[in-house]
Amino acid sequence: DTGVSQNPRHKITKRGQNVTFRCDPISEHNRLYWYRQTLGQGPEFLTYFQNEAQLEKSRLLSDRFSAERPKGSFSTLEIQRTEQGDSAMYLCASGGEGPNTEAFFGQGTRLTVV
Amino acid sequence: AQSVAQPEDQVNVAEGNPLTVKCTYSVSGNPYLFWYVQYPNRGLQFLLKYITGDNLVKGSYGFEAEFNKSQTSFHLKKPSALVSDSALYFCAVRDITGGFKTIFGAGTRLFVKA
Repeated sequence: DTGVSQNPRHKITKRGQNVTFRCDPISEHNRLYWYRQTLGQGPEFLTYFQNEAQLEKSRLLSDRFSAERPKGSFSTLEIQRTEQGDSAMYLCASGGEGPNTEAFFGQGTRLTVV
Repeated sequence: AQSVAQPEDQVNVAEGNPLTVKCTYSVSGNPYLFWYVQYPNRGLQFLLKYITGDNLVKGSYGFEAEFNKSQTSFHLKKPSALVSDSALYFCAVRDITGGFKTIFGAGTRLFVKA
């Protein structure tokens, strides 16, 4: 296993279009996180899953955003009716059992809304 | 609610000199604390963590961090900086009573001059 994989790496879309990103975590990890990072800022927490259960969502995750992890393996993050303010790097991370384990990050998907 | 503050946007240090990158945190319970590094066009990489026990924790690439509960700080240190240490550093906190949600600071850019 080579780590957390995110696809696509880059996405350019027109305002108003829907986009979907995919994250494949490290295979034995049961926790999966989504973060958003804008230039010069730290990662902002969006949501996380324990297996297939979505346990917490940030208020940043408006009703245009939805995340799924249907079988507790890969996850998707969908943004509907994209806005220019959605332009950012979307990061996925996964972690193992136990609250004291660190998260391992993918390289992210850079979204540009034009 | 959890929060992390990194009071310095940038730290400049000469190669061979010791470096410190500051971090303070706020949680309602006991914290798990993490440091990550981000190089250009690469994902966040885990450096080290504090869970419990010895207040001085050692991590990758010669970095260490000191946990100070009374000052709610977790400063990152290295005895002798290298030019290759130049990168963006993020401190993160997880409240052990609050599940797996992990909050990141805004980041500190470290610049090591030869």
